Amino acid sequence: QITLKESGPTLVKPTQTLTLTCTFSGLSLRTSGVGVGWIRQPPGKALEWLAVIYWNDDKRYSPPLKSRLTITKDTSKNQVVLNMTNMDPVDTATYFCAHRDFWSGYWAYWGQGTLVTVSS
Amino acid sequence: EIVLTQSPGTLSLSPGERATLACRASQSVSSNYLAWYQQKPGQAPRLLIYGASSRATGIPDRFSGSGSGTDFTLTISRLEPEDFAVYYCQQYGSSPYSFGQGTKLEIK
Repeated sequence: QITLKESGPTLVKPTQTLTLTCTFSGLSLRTSGVGVGWIRQPPGKALEWLAVIYWNDDKRYSPPLKSRLTITKDTSKNQVVLNMTNMDPVDTATYFCAHRDFWSGYWAYWGQGTLVTVSS
Repeated sequence: EIVLTQSPGTLSLSPGERATLACRASQSVSSNYLAWYQQKPGQAPRLLIYGASSRATGIPDRFSGSGSGTDFTLTISRLEPEDFAVYYCQQYGSSPYSFGQGTKLEIK
């Protein structure tokens, strides 16, 4: 059974850096084809894809946010970490992590999401 | 970057009716790597359809997907009360893996 869970601060101040951790089970980033990524959703708005990291350390980012995002993995802890710099109130959103199978391509398993509010 | 446009924005129907949701891509979706998700308030998206027409595990057969290239459709043959939610399409053929803006399916 594959499960993912997001953790991190619920409140950050403008200009701060957000660090979110996705802890997963039932899959391993040592296994060929495994990817874990991040998607966010501002309140009442649509989903926005952010970033993904794969078993081979290949990384992809959303072009408009690429300069602010860093995604890393810790295979020993079954974790993926997303850093987003220079946070702004418009970054207030629920942040989801999800599993992408590289070979089939689709995103079948999602975490429950964590709401991050950016406010002074 | 592929932009996905969903229509209509809101669809008002009654249980038992048929729902047809559209998703149009700004350019051809590689290998028809188009997925549909259902999202209810306070929940994560749930994968319904992948590869434009394949149902994910455990998804009832009243949900079906069709289309290719730039035009895709999600059809719900007979709406059940639990089907009223927001639906998103996503292309996963090329990075960035963009989503549509969603269609809200509401009870009439």
